[in-house]
Amino acid sequence: GQQVMQIPQYQHVQEGEDFTTYCNSSTTLSNIQWYKQRPGGHPVFLIQLVKSGEVKKQKRLTFQFGEAKKNSSLHITATQTTDVGTYFCAGRGAGKSTFGDGTTLTVKP
Amino acid sequence: NAGVTQTPKFRILKIGQSMTLQCTQDMNHNYMYWYRQDPGMGLKLIYYSVGAGITDKGEVPNGYNVSRSTTEDFPLRLELAAPSQTSVYFCASSPEGARYTFGSGTRLTVV
Repeated sequence: GQQVMQIPQYQHVQEGEDFTTYCNSSTTLSNIQWYKQRPGGHPVFLIQLVKSGEVKKQKRLTFQFGEAKKNSSLHITATQTTDVGTYFCAGRGAGKSTFGDGTTLTVKP
Repeated sequence: NAGVTQTPKFRILKIGQSMTLQCTQDMNHNYMYWYRQDPGMGLKLIYYSVGAGITDKGEVPNGYNVSRSTTEDFPLRLELAAPSQTSVYFCASSPEGARYTFGSGTRLTVV
């Protein structure tokens, strides 16, 4: 079945440093979504990418969808303590979405 | 709109007991899902439904049952609770192929 791998599992950064998490699918995706889960909270939708090579920005967050529609990345510029949490990708293929295991970001002030 | 509402928020069960986790959504979404999240881990799909009367197994369905008699409600039944079912359970809903809306979760401990 479809597998979605996410790396790294954990990332510790100093406040102000950049952060990137990567998502790779075993199959071609129709879309990919990104979610953020704050500690003790529930996943909250951030964005959806649909087109090959698509790039979207939300303030300091940049999302990319690969040309082959099998990989994606989330990049945060100049991290802040409010960015802490776990970031999940969810790749949609064959009628349903599969979540990656997430990247947990901690930010040291 | 309330979105996705889960009850209870917390529950402690004894081994062998049964319970139903409630989930209701008011967004008229056809798709609904149940996930479990163990500490420090990702989301594992238990069951999902593409519409009233239709349910299907996810990755980890053993020990659970679901029903979908209405568009709004998607309860998850635990029979004969085991310590391995200690987890946080999230219900979610979505239109087909679109963003998921998650409930705030049920934190279940089996002792």
